[in-house]
Amino acid sequence: QVQLVESGGGGVQPGRSLRLSCAASGFTFSSYGMHWVRQAPGKGLEWVAVIWYDGSNKDYADSVKGRFTISRDNSKNTLFLQMNSLRAEDTAVYYCARDDQTFDYWGQGTLVTVS
Amino acid sequence: QTVVTQEPSLTVSPGGTVTLTCASSTGAVTSGYSPNWFQQKPGQAPRALIYRTSDKHSWTPARFSGSLLGGKAALTLSGVQPEDEAEYYCLLYYGGAYVFGPGTKVTVL
Repeated sequence: QVQLVESGGGGVQPGRSLRLSCAASGFTFSSYGMHWVRQAPGKGLEWVAVIWYDGSNKDYADSVKGRFTISRDNSKNTLFLQMNSLRAEDTAVYYCARDDQTFDYWGQGTLVTVS
Repeated sequence: QTVVTQEPSLTVSPGGTVTLTCASSTGAVTSGYSPNWFQQKPGQAPRALIYRTSDKHSWTPARFSGSLLGGKAALTLSGVQPEDEAEYYCLLYYGGAYVFGPGTKVTVL
């Protein structure tokens, strides 16, 4: 079955960096675009970034452009989000989601706290 | 700054029907915006319900349906069940960027 497991979250000071991972299993990872979506405590969902199946194209929300980088390693079935220059407003649960069009499967999320 | 709007909250009786809408600040929502709908319950990850306006995932209950209505994307719940009480989010595609609506809290009472 499709499984997405995020990791790498934790507490970090403003201005520092953090790298999130999303380990995928149960499907052909290299055939699917992938997203990062975040949710601040008690708030709604916010789309963060997308990467095509082969890594050839990436797009970002304006709120993270220039600070966050999405990448993937298809040989290790893993999606990444490198987060630099973190701000308090980046505090959120970060989810990875499969498929650039349908967002069909989601992980359980990893919490990032910037303070 | 593109803004997507949804009703903040709606209340429906068990067995009833409720329609949630999703509007774009850029104008009428069309199939080109590839509307998606998600359900989220407290403490859980979002669950995908509808994609490309009206397509259902294999796990989407038949009582959920998506459409375009009056220039907006719409999610209709027919024969509402108590377990449908949740937050519902729409998502629109803007050519490389995606924007979620703020969510609609559906209460079954």
